[in-house]
Amino acid sequence: RKEVEQDPGPFNVPEGATVAFNCTYSNSASQSFFWYRQDCRKEPKLLMSVYSSGNEDGRFTAQLNRASQYISLLIRDSKLSDSATYLCVNSGSARQLTFGSGTQLTVLP
Amino acid sequence: DTGVSQNPRHKITKRGQNVTFRCDPISEHNRLYWYRQTLGQGPEFLTYFQNEAQLEKSRLLSDRFSAERPKGSFSTLEIQRTEQGDSAMYLCASSDLYREQETQYFGPGTRLLVL
Repeated sequence: RKEVEQDPGPFNVPEGATVAFNCTYSNSASQSFFWYRQDCRKEPKLLMSVYSSGNEDGRFTAQLNRASQYISLLIRDSKLSDSATYLCVNSGSARQLTFGSGTQLTVLP
Repeated sequence: DTGVSQNPRHKITKRGQNVTFRCDPISEHNRLYWYRQTLGQGPEFLTYFQNEAQLEKSRLLSDRFSAERPKGSFSTLEIQRTEQGDSAMYLCASSDLYREQETQYFGPGTRLLVL
């Protein structure tokens, strides 16, 4: 079983749609949680950190449920430019990042 | 450009050859990480340095792999006697451990193809 599990998709949604990605992790000692975005053949880039209290950055909302070991990302009013692979990530005390396999999103005109 | 840089961006080699990749982190970043990413998967941790000290190595890092960061600035990753299974994108990231939120910034990667 992978440490971080994500639905690989692909998710194909029309512009303006709301889309939600889910992720579960197995290491209960994980301390930090993130969503990274990766465009095709590019490096991963930090989208946002994820906190237990939930956090929002414009159209993006991330939630963490430590009891269920579950992380989510909600994208509202999706844009064509949101098309990418979204990587669920956690890290422990050792700081190296553990990535899920990614969820592919395509926003259609 | 003050981001993480990696060279070369692409490398094609024959099985059995040695290859070396270089990573230049963001200036003054004290931590440097190496990851490997294969198609359809997320990056997997290989090793990391804090300044010049190599603090952790993944079990993925076989004895054919060696990494150095001799002066605590740039790093090299060498793969000896390459195998076809080594074909992947090799990503370098750097971070500043003294920042409250220790964000890792990734370089563009070196794409390796072993024939």
